[in-house]
Amino acid sequence: GAVVSQHPSWVICKSGTSVKIECRSLDFQATTMFWYRQFPKQSLMLMATSNEGSKATYEQGVEKDKFLINHASLTLSTLTVTSAHPEDSSFYICSAKTSGRHYEQYFGPGTRLTVT
Amino acid sequence: GESVGLHLPTLSVQEGDNSIINCAYSNSASDYFIWYKQESGKGPQFIIDIRSNMDKRQGQRVTVLLNKTVKHLSLQIAATQPGDSAVYFCAENYPITSSGNTPLVFGKGTRLSVIA
Repeated sequence: GAVVSQHPSWVICKSGTSVKIECRSLDFQATTMFWYRQFPKQSLMLMATSNEGSKATYEQGVEKDKFLINHASLTLSTLTVTSAHPEDSSFYICSAKTSGRHYEQYFGPGTRLTVT
Repeated sequence: GESVGLHLPTLSVQEGDNSIINCAYSNSASDYFIWYKQESGKGPQFIIDIRSNMDKRQGQRVTVLLNKTVKHLSLQIAATQPGDSAVYFCAENYPITSSGNTPLVFGKGTRLSVIA
């Protein structure tokens, strides 16, 4: 149980285009989802927290108009990188948790984005 | 977690030896800690956790030690195997906020390399 999937697992796009990444909780309802970004040889950096049905909370330094997050259902959150640039190339990882399980957070397999 | 550097610290151990990976956390109010294992191109995989009211917890081949006085966490892996080669991150869970969000804050990670 407690499986989180991401789609796509990798994507290559041209500079200036937008890319959508999906994060799904497959066997539980995720009231909260988190999006992280990880550059090579670095740690995971939290980008934003999204609660189902409300606006995402972005970490300092993360542009909300560039990284659009939607958490419209209890099993799906999406991250859209708008007008992507090569510096947006990174490994994007989501995680999900359910209400009442304060500590338990489950991670997706990640999405590798390369902007050319 | 601490600020992220460009190069992960590396720990090299002989197969069969014990490994000890250390981590310094940042928030003295954090009440829950987790160790994750991350293989190349994959999302973090849960290893073991510990709550702040404990100072030691054991799992299968792994032990986590928590020293709140100096804000230090360690992961001990017994009889290290080649399959243990990966990057290991500690993460701290800040206390629940008024918004109900409790994001994880990751440490910088340590690369474990097992020599067969």
